[in-house]
Amino acid sequence: DVKVTQSSRYLVKRTGEKVFLECVQDMDHENMFWYRQDPGLGLRLIYFSYDVKMKEKGDIPEGYSVSREKKERFSLILESASTNQTSMYLCASSLTDWDEQYFGPGTRLTVT
Amino acid sequence: QQQVKQSPQSLIVQKGGISIINCAYENTAFDYFPWYQQFPGKGPALLIAIRPDVSEKKEGRFTISFNKSAKQFSLHIMDSQPGDSATYFCAASEGGGSRLTFGEGTQLTVNP
Repeated sequence: DVKVTQSSRYLVKRTGEKVFLECVQDMDHENMFWYRQDPGLGLRLIYFSYDVKMKEKGDIPEGYSVSREKKERFSLILESASTNQTSMYLCASSLTDWDEQYFGPGTRLTVT
Repeated sequence: QQQVKQSPQSLIVQKGGISIINCAYENTAFDYFPWYQQFPGKGPALLIAIRPDVSEKKEGRFTISFNKSAKQFSLHIMDSQPGDSATYFCAASEGGGSRLTFGEGTQLTVNP
């Protein structure tokens, strides 16, 4: 079974803090993704990576950056958290472009 | 601007009934249309997917109907069960599944 794990289920941070969200997959997948999920907006792609040290912007990259130093690990970074970044963050991975994406359980981030 | 519009936002169905969720898209280059199912506290999981070379795909009680000329696709759940109660997302992408654009989501409740 494919397993995508995220470092925290719940996180509370203050405005202006630097926030790291970690994601690890155990199936040697090429692609990894970060989404945010908001009620009424569905899932929106923030960044994705198709190889180590490679990244591409998604639909809403502003205020975020990512890091992929190892194939199995993909980090989402909020350089200076703001209240409008309060959301559910979902990580996903896929073997190749044409394979299904497997999602982690999500991290609910609250920025106060 | 939402490129994939999903309706209804919520749906209540009696056990044994048919659940129908609709999606419409704008980008005619989309060539992959998956549906994801999400239970509370879990990440989304692929339910069923279709490519535009067929008008219908069935897997058990779940069927995707696809209308290329109308740029619409829908999910039909036959003999709906309480265990089908979840949030359903349609999505679309072009050139593979890497860059999925999701609909807003539909919260389905199946009453016993």
